[in-house]
Amino acid sequence: AQSVSQHNHHVILSEAASLELGCNYSYGGTVNLFWYVQYPGQHLQLLLKYFSGDPLVKGIKGFEAEFIKSKFSFNLRKPSVQWSDTAEYFCACMNYGGSQGNLIFGKGTKLSVKP
Amino acid sequence: GAGVSQSPSNKVTEKGKDVELRCDPISGHTALYWYRQSLGQGLEFLIYFQGNSAPDKSGLPSDRFSAERTGGSVSTLTIQRTQQEDSAVYLCASSFRRASRRDTEAFFGQGTRLTVV
Repeated sequence: AQSVSQHNHHVILSEAASLELGCNYSYGGTVNLFWYVQYPGQHLQLLLKYFSGDPLVKGIKGFEAEFIKSKFSFNLRKPSVQWSDTAEYFCACMNYGGSQGNLIFGKGTKLSVKP
Repeated sequence: GAGVSQSPSNKVTEKGKDVELRCDPISGHTALYWYRQSLGQGLEFLIYFQGNSAPDKSGLPSDRFSAERTGGSVSTLTIQRTQQEDSAVYLCASSFRRASRRDTEAFFGQGTRLTVV
């Protein structure tokens, strides 16, 4: 069955530190990949997505992610985090090639940025 | 509407009672998802509707949970004989039909916080 693993449950960084959040998915077919962010008290918002082409995708607020097909990975990166990046981050995988196209999420990574 | 709308935003119910949670997707979106968000559990997939296809119910945790989507638009998630472990935030999302891979992002509602006492 399709699944998504996020390796870090809680990450604590100081402002200006670099960020990398790991995400692996387990589906061998065609996938669309997403990172969503949930700021405290707000609904989930799309950060970035990969569907085809350049495996390095850029999203809002300086975030980027790299799709590495051979590693089934889609890690999220940001060179320098800000206090306002404090949020929970969710990786998601859509089985595009299958008949259902379900959208499965990882358990999320809580990011706390210290000012 | 402009976004995905869920109602009620909060629901407190007694153990054993039935509850109905409603989702109004974005107009024109044919895919609709229900998830459950509990502390430390991420987003647990419940059910997925895509157009006129049979829904993917593989995530429903028990037969107390059911969902329907009328007229390809509004969806209702029903939980019968609620239990305390059903307490969570229930999220609904919608997206365009998968005409192209580009348009498959899901848009989320604010959720319904369900508390079973």
